[in-house]
Amino acid sequence: DTGVSQDPRHKITKRGQNVTFRCDPISEHNRLYWYRQTLGQGPEFLTYFQNEAQLEKSRLLSDRFSAERPKGSFSTLEIQRTEQGDSAMYLCASSSLSGRGKTQYFGPGTRLLVL
Amino acid sequence: GQNIDQPTEMTATEGAIVQINCTYQTSGFNGLFWYQQHAGEAPTFLSYNVLDGLEEKGRFSSFLSRSKGYSYLLLKELQMKDSASYLCAVEDNMLTFGGGTRLMVKP
Repeated sequence: DTGVSQDPRHKITKRGQNVTFRCDPISEHNRLYWYRQTLGQGPEFLTYFQNEAQLEKSRLLSDRFSAERPKGSFSTLEIQRTEQGDSAMYLCASSSLSGRGKTQYFGPGTRLLVL
Repeated sequence: GQNIDQPTEMTATEGAIVQINCTYQTSGFNGLFWYQQHAGEAPTFLSYNVLDGLEEKGRFSSFLSRSKGYSYLLLKELQMKDSASYLCAVEDNMLTFGGGTRLMVKP
C-alpha cells in the first residue's frame, strides 16, 4: 500500500528563484490538499482539488503561489519569486470523499529554505 | 472566523494518563480530527469524531461535544515514544488546525 509521496524532500533556493514541488496522492483518493507549516505552528491550508478541479484557492498566500492537478492524479505547487518568508514545510494530503474516508493522509513534506 | 485553541505544552510521566483539550469556534464543522506529529515528520492520523461522545482506539480515545465546541484526546499508559505534538483540526472540506500541543513524556 503506497502512501502519499512528495518530491523533493528538501529544497534550498535563493531569494527570487522559482520552485516547484510535486505530490503523488494515494491512488484511489480523489481529493488532494496542500498545506504549509512553519516551526511551532499547526499546518495552514492553502488549496485543494477534487479530481482535476481546484475547488478552493482563495487561501493561497499570494499570487506568487499556484497549484495544478492537470489529470486528476499528481499535483504540483509552484512558488514564484521566492522570499525568505516562504521558508517552511509544505505538506500534501489526500482523501476520499465521504464519511471516515474523508480522513486526510499526509505525505512526508517538502522542507523549503530560501536564502 | 476560525479559532481553535489547545495548550501549547504538557508534561506527563511514563505509564500515566494525559488529557489534551481542544476548544473551537468555526464557521463550518463536518468533524474533528486528532493527529500526532513527531519533530520533523508529517502528521499521522489518530482519530476522527463526527458525533458527540467518546471514540476509543487502543491507548488513545477522543471525545467530542459539538454543542460546547470542545474535544479532548486521552492517552493512556503513556510511553516515551508518545512524546510528540498533538494537533486538533476541524474539518470543513479543508482542515483548520490548532497550534498543536507539545507533549513531553518523562521517565
